[in-house]
Amino acid sequence: QKEVEQDPGPLSVPEGAIVSLNCTYSNSAFQYFMWYRQYSRKGPELLMYTYSSGNKEDGRFTAQVDKSSKYISLFIRDSQPSDSATYLCATTANSGGSNYKLTFGKGTLLTVNP
Amino acid sequence: GAVVSQHPSRVICKSGTSVKIECRSLDFQATTMFWYRQFPKQSLMLMATSNEGSKATYEQGVEKDKFLINHASLTLSTLTVTSAHPEDSSFYICSARQSSGANVLTFGAGSRLTVL
Repeated sequence: QKEVEQDPGPLSVPEGAIVSLNCTYSNSAFQYFMWYRQYSRKGPELLMYTYSSGNKEDGRFTAQVDKSSKYISLFIRDSQPSDSATYLCATTANSGGSNYKLTFGKGTLLTVNP
Repeated sequence: GAVVSQHPSRVICKSGTSVKIECRSLDFQATTMFWYRQFPKQSLMLMATSNEGSKATYEQGVEKDKFLINHASLTLSTLTVTSAHPEDSSFYICSARQSSGANVLTFGAGSRLTVL
């Protein structure tokens, strides 16, 4: 079993739809959870960062973490064509230091159709 | 915000040649930089952790003699793919963590290497 599982999609939605992206993880030591957005041929950019279970909201984006079920989600409200990208979940057990290491999901390709 | 610059963005080379990719943190110091490789439709795979002033730490299965990493200053790390072969063709992405101890990584825009 991979440490982080993410459905690669592709996921296609109409403009304005609510998008739900999900990952599961197997290592209970993971404590920090991130969502990155990656446009084609570009490096990932950080969208959301959470530490504990619960919800974190930033504009149209909401990150949700459920440590009991090892399940993380990203919700996008009022999706826009500019949201079309690959979304990667990432997690780590370390808060920092030289052994800081992120484990990524495979990424979900999202297309928002105008 | 923190910016990481990566150069070149695209490089095409002949089999057997070496290619150097630079990763710079533009507005912050980075004691640690990370090099990832991403094949099409695959996730980012960590290759090595680059530590300023010391040897890089390589992930299992990554040949340290093939992928040479140098982190000579707090703002620059380089990855040299030596004697490149077509199977080394990939998207190489660097990232940096600020020395202040932030828990997130800032990524470069990536370098697409094509080995003919």
